[in-house]
Amino acid sequence: EVQLVESGGGLVQRGGSLRLSCAASGFTFSSYAMTWVRQAPGKGLEWVSGISGSDGATYYADSVKGRFTISRDNSKNTLYLQMDSLRAEDTAIYYCAKDVTALVPTAMNYWGQGTLVSVSS
Amino acid sequence: DIQMTQSPSSLSASVGDRVTITCQASRDISNYLNWYQQKPGKAPKLLIYDASYLETGVPSRFSGGGSGTDFTFTISSLQPEDIATYYCQQYDNLPLTFGGGTKVEIK
Repeated sequence: EVQLVESGGGLVQRGGSLRLSCAASGFTFSSYAMTWVRQAPGKGLEWVSGISGSDGATYYADSVKGRFTISRDNSKNTLYLQMDSLRAEDTAIYYCAKDVTALVPTAMNYWGQGTLVSVSS
Repeated sequence: DIQMTQSPSSLSASVGDRVTITCQASRDISNYLNWYQQKPGKAPKLLIYDASYLETGVPSRFSGGGSGTDFTFTISSLQPEDIATYYCQQYDNLPLTFGGGTKVEIK
């Protein structure tokens, strides 16, 4: 059974940093691209970042480029999102999701339960 | 970035009704479109990929169609458990982008 469990969310001051983790199990982690998607309170879904399973290529939304860093440790089956220079508009539930392909993010067929990040101003 | 426009933003229908949601892309995305269901307080769930292919285990009352810039998502017979918000998402080009969502309620 595929499981994705996020952790690391919490309350942080504007300008601060947080690192989110996503522990994966039930599939060959290194064979799939992974993605972070966020959802601000009462709002829709926003793709944040993705990383290839095979070559580690990374992709970012313009809204987080230069502030967030996605990475993965295939030996630990864990996905990360380092979030720096946090802004109030980064407040959201952050979901980790598994892609259906190995390379470029396309479709997310498994999702974690989400972790809440709140940025206070 | 490719903009995805969904309509309506919300709808109310009776159990057993046929429900259709539309999604329009700001440029041709071929069939590179997915549909997700998100129930309140839960993570999204992939229902349809490549515009018209049903994900394994998804009931056959859900269907999708279209290509290019115009797409549809249909629930052939609305059930109480289908209460959720539905999102389209394109993957023709990064960044991946989602439609604004359609909230489906029971009348």
